[in-house]
Amino acid sequence: AQSVTQLGSHVSVSEGALVLLRCNYSSSVPPYLFWYVQYPNQGLQLLLKYTSAATLVKGINGFEAEFKKSETSFHLTKPSAHMSDAAEYFCAVRGGADSWGKLQFGAGTQVVVTP
Amino acid sequence: EAQVTQNPRYLITVTGKKLTVTCSQNMNHEYMSWYRQDPGLGLRQIYYSMNVEVTDKGDVPEGYKVSRKEKRNFPLILESPSPNQTSLYFCASRGPLSSYEQYFGPGTRLTVT
Repeated sequence: AQSVTQLGSHVSVSEGALVLLRCNYSSSVPPYLFWYVQYPNQGLQLLLKYTSAATLVKGINGFEAEFKKSETSFHLTKPSAHMSDAAEYFCAVRGGADSWGKLQFGAGTQVVVTP
Repeated sequence: EAQVTQNPRYLITVTGKKLTVTCSQNMNHEYMSWYRQDPGLGLRQIYYSMNVEVTDKGDVPEGYKVSRKEKRNFPLILESPSPNQTSLYFCASRGPLSSYEQYFGPGTRLTVT
């Protein structure tokens, strides 16, 4: 079974400051990990994914995440926040090739960017 | 354009009145699923389908039905909606098992009074 914990339901960052969103996972098999972003009144868009290749994954809009097996973490970062980064972010885990694609989502982190 | 579409986008209904939310994808994907999104709970899978005529329960299937008669369509049926089914619903699709990305529809906001 897989599960995801996102630390912090709301994060407020200043424009230009570092964005750090925390995600810890639990998985009984080698996981595939994802970060999705949801802008207001829109569906989910894939930011980036880890699929057992490079542990540092770069995504769209300047985001990146690092897979750390020893810490069971997959934190999302962006060096400099932009106003357009205001959205809700979801971490998700899929239990490898045998899970039939089911994604287990975290509860989400709402990001507010202040001028 | 590759996309997943859902209709309606917004729906207000009353307890017990049967409704269907449609989902269609134009990517010839085999795998489709339905999620509901609730504050503080993230997205939870309701039902999924691995191919035509093959469906199975997800984590929260109670009160919902699905069907997969065509590859492109995967409607969600609420035969007797109740207020606790007020939620934001997302349909998603994915290609072969080796494919990683799921494509999400724009969502359907359902209110049951």
